[in-house]
Amino acid sequence: DAMVIQNPRYQVTQFGKPVTLSCSQTLNHNVMYWYQQKSSQAPKLLFHYYDKDFNNEADTPDNFQSRRPNTSFCFLDIRSPGLGDAAMYLCATSRRLQETQYFGPGTRLLVL
Amino acid sequence: AQSVSQHNHHVILSEAASLELGCNYSYGGTVNLFWYVQYPGQHLQLLLKYFSGDPLVKGIKGFEAEFIKSKFSFNLRKPSVQWSDTAEYFCAVIDGTDSWGKLQFGAGTQVVVTP
Repeated sequence: DAMVIQNPRYQVTQFGKPVTLSCSQTLNHNVMYWYQQKSSQAPKLLFHYYDKDFNNEADTPDNFQSRRPNTSFCFLDIRSPGLGDAAMYLCATSRRLQETQYFGPGTRLLVL
Repeated sequence: AQSVSQHNHHVILSEAASLELGCNYSYGGTVNLFWYVQYPGQHLQLLLKYFSGDPLVKGIKGFEAEFIKSKFSFNLRKPSVQWSDTAEYFCAVIDGTDSWGKLQFGAGTQVVVTP
């Protein structure tokens, strides 16, 4: 089945230790998104790629970066995680901008 | 940018009761509208969507939603809920004038269905 896959599902890191979260998709969608979702809150868009074009939300901390080496993969790098970065990180894809987004299962990040 | 209001943060109801969740967006124009559901421990899933056409949209699991343009609303309904409908429900909007197509979520409504 075509899908959005996120690895790992759970990630524990130490305060200040860089961490990378991975997302892959078999939908062949042009757009990939990263969201942060904290407990009992709506997902918050961090950034997205339309093909290779990158759009960073204005309030996304500089600590968060992303890479999209090819259509199928997108990575979220957190350079120096703080305690406040503990959250669920969701990857989503859409065929084109303004179309339906399909979400992966998320990676739950715990910062010790 | 659009903002999305969901009227209830928590709803508790019994099985077989009817459910209606309110959703309003902030201003008119072309919008794409969505309801997503997040079951406990699971990922966000699309329940239904409206882009154009018939304002009464049917989705999965017996859910439907009605787009009322004059009220900037997109309320979700289910005539008879089941225990398995316990989940968090998010309304979301894409403003048609936003070239990046940002999906604006409401704060979510936690629905608990008791047996």
